[in-house]
Amino acid sequence: GENVEQHPSTLSVQEGDSAVIKCTYSDSASNYFPWYKQELGKRPQLIIDIRSNVGEKKDQRIAVTLNKTAKHFSLHITETQPEDSAVYFCAAMSTGSARQLTFGSGTQLTVLP
Amino acid sequence: SQTIHQWPATLVQPVGSPLSLECTVEGTSNPNLYWYRQAAGRGLQLLFYSVGIGQISSEVPQNLSASRPQDRQFILSSKKLLLSDSGFYLCAWSVSSYEQYFGPGTRLTVT
Repeated sequence: GENVEQHPSTLSVQEGDSAVIKCTYSDSASNYFPWYKQELGKRPQLIIDIRSNVGEKKDQRIAVTLNKTAKHFSLHITETQPEDSAVYFCAAMSTGSARQLTFGSGTQLTVLP
Repeated sequence: SQTIHQWPATLVQPVGSPLSLECTVEGTSNPNLYWYRQAAGRGLQLLFYSVGIGQISSEVPQNLSASRPQDRQFILSSKKLLLSDSGFYLCAWSVSSYEQYFGPGTRLTVT
């Protein structure tokens, strides 16, 4: 089955700096890669996603890049703000009718004011 | 628009007691439904998924079971809870698109 590894597990940045979180996946047939943000005690929220036919996607201060050859994808947050502090999860979707997601282990991002 | 509900929001149960968690989705038909568990400070583990009424697939062997008695209802059950069953249980749904959306979750503490 699919295996997703996520790094780093914790990341601290100064407000206004950029943050980058990286994930690798094992199944070359995976075709969908979402990122979720989870604030303490709350549900994960989908913040951005990318499909395998696209190399990069941007939404205001967040962007995701995908390298299918190397089987890795990354989340980039620019101009970080204190409200960006949360746990971020990457995931990869395997092919098949159930569209199951395999999640990375999460990155605790702390934006220091 | 679609809405997903889960109840109860929090639950404290003794070891050996039964469990029933419910998830319902509004505003969509024939969704794929998923149960995840998140242990404290950990990632998301897929427990069960369902592509239709009565169709349940299990990802992890355990003392939990799932049922889908109606198109938009997904139930997670246990006959006898273990301490290791404590965690944050999340229901999720998706339809024809790839996106998967989570419910508010149930925080279960087994004592």
